[in-house]
Amino acid sequence: GQNIDQPTEMTATEGAIVQINCTYQTSGFNGLFWYQQHAGEAPTFLSYNVLDGLEEKGRFSSFLSRSKGYSYLLLKELQMKDSASYLCAGVNQAGTALIFGKGTTLSVSS
Amino acid sequence: GAVVSQHPSWVICKSGTSVKIECRSLDFQATTMFWYRQFPKQSLMLMATSNEGSKATYEQGVEKDKFLINHASLTLSTLTVTSAHPEDSSFYICSARVPQGFQPQHFGDGTRLSIL
Repeated sequence: GQNIDQPTEMTATEGAIVQINCTYQTSGFNGLFWYQQHAGEAPTFLSYNVLDGLEEKGRFSSFLSRSKGYSYLLLKELQMKDSASYLCAGVNQAGTALIFGKGTTLSVSS
Repeated sequence: GAVVSQHPSWVICKSGTSVKIECRSLDFQATTMFWYRQFPKQSLMLMATSNEGSKATYEQGVEKDKFLINHASLTLSTLTVTSAHPEDSSFYICSARVPQGFQPQHFGDGTRLSIL
């Protein structure tokens, strides 16, 4: 089965850097995804890791360690609009659907 | 980029009504689509995998006779909530993935269902 854990809430200030951690236990591994979801909206894709290491995309980066079952999403130069829920997701055993963690609600203040 | 369209955005109806939600892939063909449900302040829960031309695969605890899924074409999957009750009120979201190469899942805008 799949078990994905991430912190429930985090707070940060504008311009800062924040790291959102995710640990996972899966019976198979087919990649680790990060999505952003604003309240009342659908999730939007941020980043994906299938190999160990850091993937950088502008202000967002994601890191993966398969041996530790651990990933993090790094957000730099935080903006107020980054206040949202950040969802860590693995792929199900069939290798098709995403299985989401409970999400981390990030609040960015000025 | 790939776009997934979901309709309707909002549904408010009386208890006992059946509600159909459509999910379309607009610029790609999706042999597989996914239906999720999200209750307030909770994460997305996978309900079922919709397979074009064959039966959907339901997750444990999801009633297949309650949530009817039809995937009759490569660009359209429908979810029908039959005889909806207040406890079915939720945010329903579909997703699909471009099948060639690596592509992330793209989500529709979701349907907020409120049963009175």
